[in-house]
Amino acid sequence: EVQLLESGGGLVQPGGSLRLSCAASGFTFSTFAMGWVRQAPGKGLEWVSPISGSGGSTYYADSVKGRFTISRDNSKSTLYLQMNSLRAEDTAVYYCAKGQRSGGVQFFDYWGQGTLVTVSS
Amino acid sequence: DIQMTQSPSTLSASVGDRVTITCRASQSISSWLAWYQQKPGKAPKVLIYKASTLESGVPSRFSGSGSGTEFTLTISSLQPDDFATYYCQQYNTYSYTFGQGTKLEIK
Repeated sequence: EVQLLESGGGLVQPGGSLRLSCAASGFTFSTFAMGWVRQAPGKGLEWVSPISGSGGSTYYADSVKGRFTISRDNSKSTLYLQMNSLRAEDTAVYYCAKGQRSGGVQFFDYWGQGTLVTVSS
Repeated sequence: DIQMTQSPSTLSASVGDRVTITCRASQSISSWLAWYQQKPGKAPKVLIYKASTLESGVPSRFSGSGSGTEFTLTISSLQPDDFATYYCQQYNTYSYTFGQGTKLEIK
């Protein structure tokens, strides 16, 4: 059974940093792309960043480019999102999602339950 | 970036009704479209991918159609469990844009 468990969310001040983790199990982690999607309170879904199975290919939404970094440790079956220079508008539930294959554009078929990030002073 | 526009934003319907949600892309995305269902406090769940392929385990009352720039999600006979918010998402480009969502409410 595919399981994705996010952690690392919490309250952080504007300008601060946070690192999210997503521990994956139930599938061969290194052979699937992964990604992060967020949802601000009461709002819709926004793609943040996908990463290929090897980690060699990444993409960032304009809203986070230059501030967020996605990475993965295939030996630990774990996905990360390093978030720097956080802003109030980054407040959201952050979901980890699993892709259909290693690379290329694709849809994402399994999602974790999310971790809440609140940016506030 | 490709923009995705869903209509309506809110839909009121009754159990047993047939409902249709529309999603339009700002440029052609071929058939690279997925539909998701999300319930309050829960993660999204994929219903349909490649515009019309039903994800394993999803009831057959859900169907999708379309290609290019116009797509529809149809629920043939609404069940109580179907009242939720629905999102379309393009995966023709890495921006992976979502529609703004359609909230399906009980009439």
